Amino acid sequence: DGGITQSPKYLFRKEGQNVTLSCEQNLNHDAMYWYRQDPGQGLRLIYYSQIVNDFQKGDIAEGYSVSREKKESFPLTVTSAQKNPTAFYLCASSIGAGRGASREQFFGPGTRLTVL
Amino acid sequence: AQSVTQLDSQVPVFEEAPVELRCNYSSSVSVYLFWYVQYPNQGLQLLLKYLSGSTLVKGINGFEAEFNKSQTSFHLRKPSVHISDTAEYFCAVRRNYGGSQGNLIFGKGTKLSVKP
Repeated sequence: DGGITQSPKYLFRKEGQNVTLSCEQNLNHDAMYWYRQDPGQGLRLIYYSQIVNDFQKGDIAEGYSVSREKKESFPLTVTSAQKNPTAFYLCASSIGAGRGASREQFFGPGTRLTVL
Repeated sequence: AQSVTQLDSQVPVFEEAPVELRCNYSSSVSVYLFWYVQYPNQGLQLLLKYLSGSTLVKGINGFEAEFNKSQTSFHLRKPSVHISDTAEYFCAVRRNYGGSQGNLIFGKGTKLSVKP
């Protein structure tokens, strides 16, 4: 079945550590996205990538980094510079990112990160 | 600036009653509109979308929504809810632009609680 996988489902981090969240899709989508979700705040865009080897900052990119070396993979690193990283992280993908594309996004199951 | 307002953060309703979840957006250009559902500790699932054509859109699980351009609204409705509809619902808007200006903007969500 086609879809998006995220791992791990739960992740615990000590303060000062970097951690990497995995996101893989087999939908052959060009565009991929990372969102952070906090209670009552909806989804906030961290980074997005419209094509391999290219990515752009979203609204809350500080303290995060990404790479897009393969079309199917878009890992997110939460660095020690992120002051309040405890949150639910969602990865998504869409067919295209051009003007005419609907950009209907398909979501993974999420990773819940807790800083101890 | 582009924005999406979900007018109710929580909506309690009894089983088999009708429900309406309200969504208003601000945009001076044409838009695509989406409703997503999120069950606890899961990713988002697309309920329905409006891209063009008929303003009444039918989705999964018996939900429907009506696009009202003059009122810039896209309210979600279901004539008779079930316990299993208890979840958080997100409205999202995409302006018909390329690049970052065409990314999805999400509302802050409405928690639907269906009581027996």
